[in-house]
Amino acid sequence: GESVGLHLPTLSVQEGDNSIINCAYSNSASDYFIWYKQESGKGPQFIIDIRSNMDKRQGQRVTVLLNKTVKHLSLQIAATQPGDSAVYFCAAWDSVNDYKLSFGAGTTVTVRA
Amino acid sequence: KAGVTQTPRYLIKTRGQQVTLSCSPISGHRSVSWYQQTPGQGLQFLFEYFSETQRNKGNFPGRFSGRQFSNSRSEMNVSTLELGDSALYLCASSYQGSKETQYFGPGTRLLVL
Repeated sequence: GESVGLHLPTLSVQEGDNSIINCAYSNSASDYFIWYKQESGKGPQFIIDIRSNMDKRQGQRVTVLLNKTVKHLSLQIAATQPGDSAVYFCAAWDSVNDYKLSFGAGTTVTVRA
Repeated sequence: KAGVTQTPRYLIKTRGQQVTLSCSPISGHRSVSWYQQTPGQGLQFLFEYFSETQRNKGNFPGRFSGRQFSNSRSEMNVSTLELGDSALYLCASSYQGSKETQYFGPGTRLLVL
């Protein structure tokens, strides 16, 4: 199966600074990864995804980096804003159980004004 | 396109009762997955349905069950409720259910007293 873990449960960031959230996965056969953002009282919201044939993908103010050698991915948020305060999850498709998405524990990002 | 909807949004039950939660996926999505989210355990996979068939199931007791209808709407049922079943129950939908982005609903907050 797949085990996904986040390196830090909380992250405090000054408004305007860049945020980096890290995630590790256990199954080297995992080939599709997704980052979600969950605000209080809401369901997880898709941010960005990356497949294993890429090592970097950029979206609006967000970049995901994938290092398959060490089974690590990160989410970078540029110019962090108060609206970025939320819990962030990385998720990986379990290559053994094809219809199961495995989630990390989540990192709570707090943006300081 | 309307997002994933879940009803009810909030529910209070007592131990021993049963509960049924409903999920309507995004139009055109045929895969529906259910997750339990608690502060201690994070997002835990319950089961996944596609074309009215359960394709995968997580490590939950048999008190947790689900089904999917021909219009892809899904329900999950929890019988003989326990205090530990208090959680946010999330439903997510996708087209095929494997190696693709899942889109989440707002969840149903269940409190068992």
